[in-house]
Amino acid sequence: DVVLTQTPVSLSVTLGDQASISCRSSQSLEYSDGYTYLEWYLQKPGQSPQLLIYEVSNRFSGVPDRFIGSGSGTDFTLKISRVEPEDLGVYYCFQATHDPLTFGSGTKLEIK
Amino acid sequence: EVKLVESGGGLVQPGRSLKLSCAASGFSFNDYWMGWVRQAPGKGLEWIGEINQDSSTINYTPSLKDKFTISRDNAQNTLYLQMSKLGSEDTAIYYCARITTVATIDYWGQGVMVTVSS
Repeated sequence: DVVLTQTPVSLSVTLGDQASISCRSSQSLEYSDGYTYLEWYLQKPGQSPQLLIYEVSNRFSGVPDRFIGSGSGTDFTLKISRVEPEDLGVYYCFQATHDPLTFGSGTKLEIK
Repeated sequence: EVKLVESGGGLVQPGRSLKLSCAASGFSFNDYWMGWVRQAPGKGLEWIGEINQDSSTINYTPSLKDKFTISRDNAQNTLYLQMSKLGSEDTAIYYCARITTVATIDYWGQGVMVTVSS
């Protein structure tokens, strides 16, 4: 199975500052069709997860441009510029390139 | 409006079985892959498995393959998760998920709690 290692486990950020989360995969996530099926989800307290980023860097509909995904192969990053109060929660990376599909262990973003 | 509503959760004794349902509405159910995800209390997300549009392809996380069965009824717009030989480790919120053509989960249900305890 593909293991996704997220760092840090938790992050405390001042409002307006930038946050950065890393997701490292045990295997390359580039699929045979040339696409890389690495996604980012945010689970706000008490809610179901919500999609933020797909195919490494594409923002889902309605996601602010403060959320920026990047990376390739086995190393990926989610940057949140100008953190706002509604950004708090747990961020998960997720890979849909290899079966079984797998989630990272999560990064909890707290607001200072 | 797309809606996914899970049901069938609750308290179940160890070793017993339980079947969850996910009622879908607001979209053409038979056009989408669907999946199940679970989350143990205070823990992260765990992928259970997914099923394609006509049920010809069903994939599972290997560690759950022997106890969970995913199925769907396109006429009823409903996704199912049959769980057997339940243990305390299966206590979790179970989410139903819609999977897009680019392999994203664009809609999630609100989740249903399953508690395995005597």
